[in-house]
Amino acid sequence: NAGVTQTPKFQVLKTGQSMTLQCAQDMNHEYMSWYRQDPGMGLRLIHYSVGAGITDQGEVPNGYNVSRSTTEDFPLRLLSAAPSQTSVYFCASSYSPSSTDTQYFGPGTRLTVL
Amino acid sequence: AQSVSQHNHHVILSEAASLELGCNYSYGGTVNLFWYVQYPGQHLQLLLKYFSGDPLVKGIKGFEAEFIKSKFSFNLRKPSVQWSDTAEYFCAVNFGGGADGLTFGKGTHLIIQP
Repeated sequence: NAGVTQTPKFQVLKTGQSMTLQCAQDMNHEYMSWYRQDPGMGLRLIHYSVGAGITDQGEVPNGYNVSRSTTEDFPLRLLSAAPSQTSVYFCASSYSPSSTDTQYFGPGTRLTVL
Repeated sequence: AQSVSQHNHHVILSEAASLELGCNYSYGGTVNLFWYVQYPGQHLQLLLKYFSGDPLVKGIKGFEAEFIKSKFSFNLRKPSVQWSDTAEYFCAVNFGGGADGLTFGKGTHLIIQP
């Protein structure tokens, strides 16, 4: 298994541009989520999904959209990038939405918005 | 609002020293507790987790943590650290047992000097 994969690894955007961060997992996990990691802030939850067709907002959802059309994929869309969205983005998945399940993290996407 | 506090943002130890990293949370209800580690250039990996039973849990690589409910704490310990333990350590909490992800502390950057 490849586990949780993310593309791209690095991305530079200009303010106002849009883009999609890709996340895929091949472990047939129901639960997927997106976090952002900022210096001195730890990781903060952006959006999550408990299964195909079901998504919900986390702690910091503004400026981001998600969809879950398949079990495997959970893309994160930046509608109009802002410098405040400069961050490292991590996708994670777990077997079920159970709060005790281990979450498996991807390698991250480092995004810079100029 | 629920929060997770890690008191030590930077810790420097010599090899063979004992380690204890503090983690406290603010919430009186059900919690599920995790410690994750991020080695340089790698993605987050689970060290250990607690959700019920024996409050002293053992994880990978000789790490252990103790849940003390009365102190709202989940401190990470290792009796003798190695140079390879140099990493960023994150305490994470799921509050209330729901599917809305983890709340992370800000992390502790641990440096082990040979």
